[in-house]
Amino acid sequence: GAGVSQSPSNKVTEKGKDVELRCDPISGHTALYWYRQSLGQGLEFLIYFQGNSAPDKSGLPSDRFSAERTGGSVSTLTIQRTQQEDSAVYLCAKGRGQAFFGQGTRLTVV
Amino acid sequence: KNEVEQSPQNLTAQEGEFITINCSYSVGISALHWLQQHPGGGIVSLFMLSSGKKKHGRLIATINIQEKHSSLHITASHPRDSAVYICAVEETSGSRLTFGEGTQLTVNP
Repeated sequence: GAGVSQSPSNKVTEKGKDVELRCDPISGHTALYWYRQSLGQGLEFLIYFQGNSAPDKSGLPSDRFSAERTGGSVSTLTIQRTQQEDSAVYLCAKGRGQAFFGQGTRLTVV
Repeated sequence: KNEVEQSPQNLTAQEGEFITINCSYSVGISALHWLQQHPGGGIVSLFMLSSGKKKHGRLIATINIQEKHSSLHITASHPRDSAVYICAVEETSGSRLTFGEGTQLTVNP
């Protein structure tokens, strides 16, 4: 997506391991969103950042999920003790109306 | 019942046909988005609407706020239009997007 870089693009991890997913809204916006798209399902909201604060983290599915943002720019989504149901594409979006999406990180937990 | 419902779920058309995808929502919104997702996962924003109608090339999006309904039209469809089209709303209660399940469009040559 225009101006949003996510890494890695693909990640395969063993069940129980921790993973970190990164989002860099290259040109910078105060608003940043994380979404998840599980196989065969629609997109679901995870967390919203305004600057470095997360006024809405209601979509995080469990306390194994956390996210932070530093310098009002790069954000990291961390999943601890991964489970197979965490397998999904994790998407980051920025901007007014969240018009700009990253290409996503495809996470596979085996 | 989902807050955002799209129809149809799947749509197959012949090249050149006029396509309509519908979206209904049940919450108060500040804006509605139409997104396109190609195989491989990349999502592109097509339109953001808060009223009326917008046109971009062969794509037209309309919204009726009173009826809580939006449509995406594709004129003179082409195989490269094959993708998943997703309707998403920004609720007035917050800025996050709530998504429909998507419509898988296949345009055959």
